[in-house]
Amino acid sequence: AQSVTQLDSQVPVFEEAPVELRCNYSSSVSVYLFWYVQYPNQGLQLLLKYLSGSTLVKGINGFEAEFNKSQTSFHLRKPSVHISDTAEYFCAVSEGIGGTSYGKLTFGQGTILTVHP
Amino acid sequence: DTGVSQDPRHKITKRGQNVTFRCDPISEHNRLYWYRQTLGQGPEFLTYFQNEAQLEKSRLLSDRFSAERPKGSFSTLEIQRTEQGDSAMYLCASSLIPGHVPYATNEKLFFGSGTQLSVL
Repeated sequence: AQSVTQLDSQVPVFEEAPVELRCNYSSSVSVYLFWYVQYPNQGLQLLLKYLSGSTLVKGINGFEAEFNKSQTSFHLRKPSVHISDTAEYFCAVSEGIGGTSYGKLTFGQGTILTVHP
Repeated sequence: DTGVSQDPRHKITKRGQNVTFRCDPISEHNRLYWYRQTLGQGPEFLTYFQNEAQLEKSRLLSDRFSAERPKGSFSTLEIQRTEQGDSAMYLCASSLIPGHVPYATNEKLFFGSGTQLSVL
């Protein structure tokens, strides 16, 4: 079984400050890792994903994440946030090679990022 | 591409009543997923279809829940004898994977805005 823990339920930051949203996972099998964003009254949107290869993954809107296998972490970062980044962010995993469906995701509890002017 | 559409957006019902939600995936998408999201939690996988075949159901899905995708296009999720614990946001997502490949790492999910169910 897999599980995902997002260590912060809420993260307030000021505009143009850097931000890191933390995510740890546990799994007995290889996994693929994702970050999704949910804006108010909108569906979840994929920010970025890690399948294999380079451990630093770049996504949309200037976000990036680093996969650390030894620490089983996949933290999301942005060097300078904007008001429009205010949203809820979800870390998720799916089973890697040998899994039944790439779209069968296990999500973390979510982190609400609030960017203040 | 009009996106994934879910209907209704909100549903209020009394305990013990049956409810049905509808999901219209993006046209031509062959996979359709249902997730449930309770307050303060991330979405939880419920079930998914490839075309009209239901390939997997979560153990979270009790016998009161049933999902169908009769023609491989839209899907319905029915909850019988609703309980207060069923109150949640029900999310639908669709994707397109090529041919008869069972697993595709380029599969991209598109989520709808969800149906918010409140059971009184």
